[in-house]
Amino acid sequence: EAQVTQNPRYLITVTGKKLTVTCSQNMNHEYMSWYRQDPGLGLRQIYYSMNVEVTDKGDVPEGYKVSRKEKRNFPLILESPSPNQTSLYFCASSLSPSWDSPLHFGNGTRLTVT
Amino acid sequence: GESVGLHLPTLSVQEGDNSIINCAYSNSASDYFIWYKQESGKGPQFIIDIRSNMDKRQGQRVTVLLNKTVKHLSLQIAATQPGDSAVYFCAEILYGNKLVFGAGTILRVKS
Repeated sequence: EAQVTQNPRYLITVTGKKLTVTCSQNMNHEYMSWYRQDPGLGLRQIYYSMNVEVTDKGDVPEGYKVSRKEKRNFPLILESPSPNQTSLYFCASSLSPSWDSPLHFGNGTRLTVT
Repeated sequence: GESVGLHLPTLSVQEGDNSIINCAYSNSASDYFIWYKQESGKGPQFIIDIRSNMDKRQGQRVTVLLNKTVKHLSLQIAATQPGDSAVYFCAEILYGNKLVFGAGTILRVKS
């Protein structure tokens, strides 16, 4: 089944404790992206990757890192999480972010930082 | 469920009626628009898209209308069903690859 898989689904951590949220897609998509979703704000892009070893900042990259060593994986890294990073995170992928190539989203990771 | 719906506009419709969800976009240079549906506890799911050189596109039970003059996008759902209850987002693509989402609208279908 074609899908985007995020892990974990729920995560509770403390301020400053490094964490990684994994994302994997099995559709051979070149484009991958991370979003955070906060009440009333819609989805805001954190980082995106056009292909292996190519990553760029989105609208809200502060406090996050990503890597794209392989086509299928795009982990999101929080080196020193803070409470304002408590949010719902989505990974997404597509052949390319353009016409006839819609984003496929994972089911989200609910992160709480205390 | 996930609390992404706080402070969002809500549209309540009776089962079987047609629904119209509206979206205003910001950039006249946007060349591609998409509607997504997000059910509780899930990621957004693609519904339909439209390119800026079109003013209407139809799918199964859904129609998207684009009015570039007033920078307005709408999603029409025919014969709304309980399974259509969700948060609906419009999104625009800027500069070929930057995807910007609207805040969303909650659709509630009354049986």
